[in-house]
Amino acid sequence: GAVVSQHPSWVICKSGTSVKIECRSLDFQATTMFWYRQFPKQSLMLMATSNEGSKATYEQGVEKDKFLINHASLTLSTLTVTSAHPEDSSFYICRGTTRGLDEAFFGQGTRLTVV
Amino acid sequence: GENVEQHPSTLSVQEGDSAVIKCTYSDSASNYFPWYKQELGKGPQLIIDIRSNVGEKKDQRIAVTLNKTAKHFSLHITETQPEDSAVYFCAASASNFGNEKLTFGTGTRLTIIP
Repeated sequence: GAVVSQHPSWVICKSGTSVKIECRSLDFQATTMFWYRQFPKQSLMLMATSNEGSKATYEQGVEKDKFLINHASLTLSTLTVTSAHPEDSSFYICRGTTRGLDEAFFGQGTRLTVV
Repeated sequence: GENVEQHPSTLSVQEGDSAVIKCTYSDSASNYFPWYKQELGKGPQLIIDIRSNVGEKKDQRIAVTLNKTAKHFSLHITETQPEDSAVYFCAASASNFGNEKLTFGTGTRLTIIP
């Protein structure tokens, strides 16, 4: 299947700093990228959906100014957690797809720890 | 919106035995039901899926059954092996395609006892 490469796999940052997570589609052009957050032993919660070249659509309760999503190209989507706090510590996962593809592919995930 | 419930939350089975995980969904418009396997520290991987026009689908040791009337679907793993140990998630989508939004169940931690 197609590959979505997500980096970094883990990151530790200090409170108040920003962290950028990248997801690259390696062998297809991802017109759509879904971003999820997963707390320990919990399910995946959709945060936002981004389409290449347009603004992301955020789920209810997700602060768009805190979780900045950029999808400027067909092979790269980024999630920036701004002014991170300990409660933002979580596992963040992207899932990319494109028109005509009957499946979407997950990245490997990024474990963010804010200290 | 869609709500997906998954049971059990944890499941331990002896190697070689079968494991069954069940999910129920609320939105009768849902048409696509995938199952994912997630290993520690990794993103979920699709292992099998089923669409509403099919009642059962099998892929080697893995099978999925769907009851649209009752709005539930199940994952069956036969002849379990230690490498089957992982967290399994069911999901549902109102789309016929697998590239749309999914609503996930709460996950089942499956442990295979050697």
